[in-house]
Amino acid sequence: DAKTTQPNSMESNEEEPVHLPCNHSTISGTDYIHWYRQLPSQGPEYVIHGLTSNVNNRMASLAIAEDRKSSTLILHRATLRDAAVYYCILRDLDYGGSQGNLIFGKGTKLSVKP
Amino acid sequence: GAGVSQSPSNKVTEKGKDVELRCDPISGHTALYWYRQSLGQGLEFLIYFQGNSAPDKSGLPSDRFSAERTGGSVSTLTIQRTQQEDSAVYLCASSPHWGAGYEQYFGPGTRLTVT
Repeated sequence: DAKTTQPNSMESNEEEPVHLPCNHSTISGTDYIHWYRQLPSQGPEYVIHGLTSNVNNRMASLAIAEDRKSSTLILHRATLRDAAVYYCILRDLDYGGSQGNLIFGKGTKLSVKP
Repeated sequence: GAGVSQSPSNKVTEKGKDVELRCDPISGHTALYWYRQSLGQGLEFLIYFQGNSAPDKSGLPSDRFSAERTGGSVSTLTIQRTQQEDSAVYLCASSPHWGAGYEQYFGPGTRLTVT
């Protein structure tokens, strides 16, 4: 799977939007962009994923750059419960080259201040 | 609907004993994955199933580890002759189908402590 780069940590204020960046300059045309988060003492939680177009769901929005070399996870109104480590993960659609498992990097630790 | 469940939630065992960890995936999910996370570390992939079949077992850390899935549903991860380095949180995830375009839903994990 192609490599991603994320800031080690970010801070946000409660009820403000949060933009979490991810760089993936070596992304291939068949790589999906996935985001997961892990709250303290819990298992990872799926947030959102996309291929080329921007995506929205009840949790967040995913903005994908036109050249796909970067993406941004947007939390529209941060709450204290959103404090977690956020992982940006690329997954290759080429079945022959992947077991389909997720490869977690170090992620971005998001702190939310009241 | 019901999410992925795992049992037991906590397991303390003596070195050298065998343990079985169970995963109940979301109903209808054909793909199932096992990971483990040691204290303060990232997630380590162990094995995945497409239906009842595990095409590649190379992620298992040693031959003391084995896993099976029956009826395309419940999966069991067995660790024989446990060692202290096996202590970790063992996480199971399921997905509607295997592959890059599908999300994975994780269970709460089983915390294994080998004394």
